[in-house]
Amino acid sequence: EPEVTQTPSHQVTQMGQEVILRCVPISNHLYFYWYRQILGQKVEFLVSFYNNEISEKSEIFDDQFSVERPDGSNFTLKIRSTKLEDSAMYFCASSYRKNQLNYGYTFGSGTRLTVV
Amino acid sequence: QKEVEQDPGPLSVPEGAIVSLNCTYSNSAFQYFMWYRQYSRKGPELLMYTYSSGNKEDGRFTAQVDKSSKYISLFIRDSQPSDSATYLCAMAAMYSGGGADGLTFGKGTHLIIQP
Repeated sequence: EPEVTQTPSHQVTQMGQEVILRCVPISNHLYFYWYRQILGQKVEFLVSFYNNEISEKSEIFDDQFSVERPDGSNFTLKIRSTKLEDSAMYFCASSYRKNQLNYGYTFGSGTRLTVV
Repeated sequence: QKEVEQDPGPLSVPEGAIVSLNCTYSNSAFQYFMWYRQYSRKGPELLMYTYSSGNKEDGRFTAQVDKSSKYISLFIRDSQPSDSATYLCAMAAMYSGGGADGLTFGKGTHLIIQP
């Protein structure tokens, strides 16, 4: 079964450093998403991406965040200057159609980001 | 006011019991309702999807949506130890632009099925 792959599974970074989280969506999917889950909190929507541009973003997704699809397979989330409160599990998701909620919206296993 | 409320548990029941999980919400624009299952160190996995009000059944799982009460439920019949996981409710709205916003999740209920 096709999977969304995220690397690394765990990343530790120092406060103020830039970090890039990587995702390989399912190959024929066209819409890509990032969510985050702070420990003990809800999964929260960050951003959706289609046709090489941001489609929607939440209030969380401020100027410190950016997304990119640098090639035909990877989808990345960059945090420019990490803060302690950025520590969370970050999930990538993809779908063939926009917000294909009923069956085609697939999450990766996540990257646990720890900012120290 | 929090948009989606879900009791985090843990909820512990014996194998074979019927499990009832639920969420309440405040945003009347939500029209799409989902239940995800999340195992430790894994991403959410879609279990059930419902559009608007009503019931939907899939094997041992039944999802119910009551939009008038802003209340959704997931029932698991004949629960198995392998059902032990965190269950997340999620919702989305459809706006006039034709797309849905990102999903709004509940906090998740940690379910333990005792053998």
